[in-house]
Parts: sequence; structure tokens; C-alpha cells
Amino acid sequence: EVQLVQSGAEVKKPGESLKISCKGSGYSFTTYWIGWVRQMPGKGLEWMGIIYPGDSDTRYSPSFQGQVTISADKSISTAHLQWSSLKASDTAMYYCVRYDSGTHAFDIWGQGTMVTVSS
Amino acid sequence: EIVLTQSPATLSLSPGERATLSCRASQSVSNYLAWYQQKPGQAPRLLIYDASNRATGMSARFSGSGSGTDFTLTISSLEPEDFAVYYCQQRGNWPQITFGQGTRLEIK
Repeated sequence: EVQLVQSGAEVKKPGESLKISCKGSGYSFTTYWIGWVRQMPGKGLEWMGIIYPGDSDTRYSPSFQGQVTISADKSISTAHLQWSSLKASDTAMYYCVRYDSGTHAFDIWGQGTMVTVSS
Repeated sequence: EIVLTQSPATLSLSPGERATLSCRASQSVSNYLAWYQQKPGQAPRLLIYDASNRATGMSARFSGSGSGTDFTLTISSLEPEDFAVYYCQQRGNWPQITFGQGTRLEIK
């Protein structure tokens, strides 16, 4: 079964750092782009950025450039999303998604990681 | 950045009725338009890709149409499980991907 399994919920304080993960299985991890999508409470979907694990080519939405870092470790089929200094406004559900270049769409979604930033 | 505008924001219909959801792009995205369904507490799932192709396992009640800047998602006869939020997404100017703001389909 093709799936993306994300790390568990996190509760952090403003200013702290965080790295969440997304492990792919059931397919060739290095040949599909992996993206990240933010959903703030009660709001819509926002594309953050995307990485090609095969060569670590990474692209960011202008809205998230410089705010987060996307990386991937192909040896363990895992992508990461990290923050160096969290803000309360980073409180959201974060989904990792597999991008299929054939369908031009996100065909597989992780279950989501809820990040809560509160003092 | 290509902006996707979905309408209406909320659509109130009864089971058995036909639903028509719209997504308009600020510039042409060719046919690189996808639709997703999100139910409360769940991750979104892919319904339609490349404007008119149903994703694997999706009901034939769902159909998509359009190209360029105007797209439509149609649900032919609403079932109770179809009431959810629907998002469109484009990749017309790869890699700058954007989503629409969503249409909430609610039971009347």
C-alpha cells in the first residue's frame, strides 16, 4: 500500500525549533516530489513547498520562503519540514503530500501533523 | 502568482440534487487543475486531476470540466457522504502551486 505516515502532534513554545517528518512507503520514494501543505484552524489549504528526494531539488512558495526548511533523507524515505523559531501563527495542521508528475496533482496525503505553538 | 477563486463559498443542497462548483483562475492554467474533497477531521483526497479525469476509486457521480481559466466540478446526484469542503488546485506555472479558498457543500 502506498502511504505517507507523518510524525505525531507537537506542542511548542514561541521561539522554539521544530522538525516534523513524513515517511513514504509502498513506492519509489526518490522518483516522486513530496510537498507540504498548511491548514490553519478552520481555514483552507496553503501550499508551502516541494522537494524531489532523488536530488533534493527544493522549491518554496513565496509566502513560506525563508520561514521554513524542507529536506529529505532518501536513505530512510523520509521528508522533513522544520522551523528554527516558531511563532504562534505557525499553529496549524501540516500535511505532507505526494505529487504525481503524471497527473499533476497530489495523489497521496499523509494523515497530518498538528503543531500548536503557545506560551 | 496564479489566484484561484472558488464559488460559491457555501452551497446548500439536498441529497439527490445536482451540485455545480466553480473554480476560476487569474490566468490560464491549461488543464492542470485538480479537485480535492475534505471531510471534517480528515486529510483531503484527490477527486479529479487534469481538469476532467477521475482519480482511482472515485465515484462516477463526480465529474470535472473546463480548461484555461474556468473549471467546474459537478456532482450528479448528492449522497450524504458528499457533503464536505471542496478545493481546486493548479500547477499551471510549475512549481508555483496554489489552492482555491474552498467551497463548503452543506445539507439543506
